[in-house]
Formats: sequence, structure tokens, C-alpha cells
Amino acid sequence: AQSVTQLGSHVSVSEGALVLLRCNYSSSVPPYLFWYVQYPNQGLQLLLKYTSAATLVKGINGFEAEFKKSETSFHLTKPSAHMSDAAEYFCAVSDRGYSTLTFGKGTMLLVSP
Amino acid sequence: SQTIHQWPATLVQPVGSPLSLECTVEGTSNPNLYWYRQAAGRGLQLLFYSVGIGQISSEVPQNLSASRPQDRQFILSSKKLLLSDSGFYLCAWMTANTEAFFGQGTRLTVV
Repeated sequence: AQSVTQLGSHVSVSEGALVLLRCNYSSSVPPYLFWYVQYPNQGLQLLLKYTSAATLVKGINGFEAEFKKSETSFHLTKPSAHMSDAAEYFCAVSDRGYSTLTFGKGTMLLVSP
Repeated sequence: SQTIHQWPATLVQPVGSPLSLECTVEGTSNPNLYWYRQAAGRGLQLLFYSVGIGQISSEVPQNLSASRPQDRQFILSSKKLLLSDSGFYLCAWMTANTEAFFGQGTRLTVV
């Protein structure tokens, strides 16, 4: 069985500060890993994905994430936060089969001026 | 390109009333389709998924059911809604490498 743990239901940063959202996963096989972003009352939009190529993955809007097998982590980072980054972020894991995604509980990113 | 449509966007229903939420996909054939429910602080809970017409897998026993009458149509239903059915419902389709594309969601409030 696979699972995802997102540390911190809320993260607050100032505009221009580093964004770090943490995600740890559990999977019995090499996983596919994803980060999604959700704006209020909207569906989820894919930010980036890891599918066994480069361990440092770059996504949209300046976000990137690094797959660390030894730490079973896939943390999301952005060097400088913008007000428009305020949203909820979800980490997800798949066992690579044509099956289902297991999501974390989400982290709400708050950006202050 | 592929698109996914989900409606209605918002819905207020009384307890005990029926429910029908519809999701359709364009630009792909034989997609894997999914219904998720999102409750505050609880992330996304997978409710049902379907790998083909008439094929439904239920992940969580509950007051809801799903049907797939056509290749690119997925319907979420209930005969009698409960207060606990309130939430944000999301339809998704998934590629072969498990990348999911989501609809805009339906906010259901049971009163």
C-alpha cells in the first residue's frame, strides 16, 4: 500500500521568501510522484511530476521538487514566493501501474506582502 | 487536446433527495475515469474508478454509486442524500503514466 504525508497543513511565507512544502511517501515499488495545486473552488492542476528520469524536477510557475529515495521525500520548493502562489498544494504518489493516485491531505500556502 | 467537463459547479440539495453529477471527457478514448471527494483538511478521497464502460470499482462503501454508460461519460449518483455527503466532488481522467487531469469540481451542500 502507498501513502503520502504532507508536513504542515498551513505554511506562511512573505512575498519574495523561499517556499518549502514537505512531502514524504511510502511505496512498496519505485513510485511516480506528483505535486498538484488547487485554487479556491477549482479542480487540481499539475505542477510537476517525477517518473524516474532526473531526480530534480522542474515544473510550472518556477516550482521544482527533488526526489530523494533515501529519505523517501519529494519536497516542493520555489526560490521566491509571489502573492499568486497562495493556494493549496497536494502531493500524490502512484505505484506506476495504470491505477490510482493516493493524495496527501494538502498544505495551504499563505503569502503575505 | 483532452478536456474534461463536470457539472453543475454548485448544488444545494435537501437531505433525502437524489443526486446526479455528470462528467464527460473529450479528446481521448477509453480513459480511466475517477470520482474523488474533498473535505476540508482531509485531502482527496477516491470514491470510484472505472477502466471501461460498465466497469466500476468502489473504494469506499458509502451512500453513493457510480455508472459509466458511455466510454467518455462517468456519473456519480445517490438515491437519498445524507448531510455527510456534503463536499467538493472532483472528476478526473488518468493517462497511462498516472498523470491525472481534473474537472472544475462540484460543490455539494446537503441541507
